Amino acid sequence: GENVEQHPSTLSVQEGDSAVIKCTYSDSASNYFPWYKQELGKRPQLIIDIRSNVGEKKDQRIAVTLNKTAKHFSLHITETQPEDSAVYFCAASIAAGNKLTFGGGTRVLVKP
Amino acid sequence: GAGVSQSPSNKVTEKGKDVELRCDPISGHTALYWYRQSLGQGLEFLIYFQGNSAPDKSGLPSDRFSAERTGGSVSTLTIQRTQQEDSAVYLCASSLVADSSYGYTFGSGTRLTVV
Repeated sequence: GENVEQHPSTLSVQEGDSAVIKCTYSDSASNYFPWYKQELGKRPQLIIDIRSNVGEKKDQRIAVTLNKTAKHFSLHITETQPEDSAVYFCAASIAAGNKLTFGGGTRVLVKP
Repeated sequence: GAGVSQSPSNKVTEKGKDVELRCDPISGHTALYWYRQSLGQGLEFLIYFQGNSAPDKSGLPSDRFSAERTGGSVSTLTIQRTQQEDSAVYLCASSLVADSSYGYTFGSGTRLTVV
């Protein structure tokens, strides 16, 4: 089955700096890669996703890149703000809406 | 409803007792998922229901765990003879499989504590 590895497990950045989280996956059939943000004590919420026919996608301060050949994808947060502090999870599946396999999560702390 | 609803939000039970956790998915969502999140850990897949197809039970950790989905809507996750290692937040999610734009919507979870 699919295996998703996520790094780093924790990330501390200064407010205004960029944060990058990287994930690798094992199943070459995977073609849908969402990212979820989970604030303390709350449910995970979808913040951005990318499909395998696209190499990069941006939404304001967040962007995702996908390298299908290398089977890795990354989340980039620019101009970080304290409200970006949360746990971020990457995931992979063979299609949106099918079973997602999650990475282990990255705890991001943005220091003011 | 407007979102995925789970109940109870918190459950404390004695070791050895059975518990039932309920999930009400978003109306019209055909796929429903259960995940488990232990303290500070990632999301562990448990079971997946898709329409009238047989559920994917490949993530259930033992035969003490079972789930059903009645009428293609509400789902119940049952844990029999609970153990302390079952303590975790149990998250339910649903998705509109026919539309690939939405991915999952998670509920708020049930925090299960086995004492």
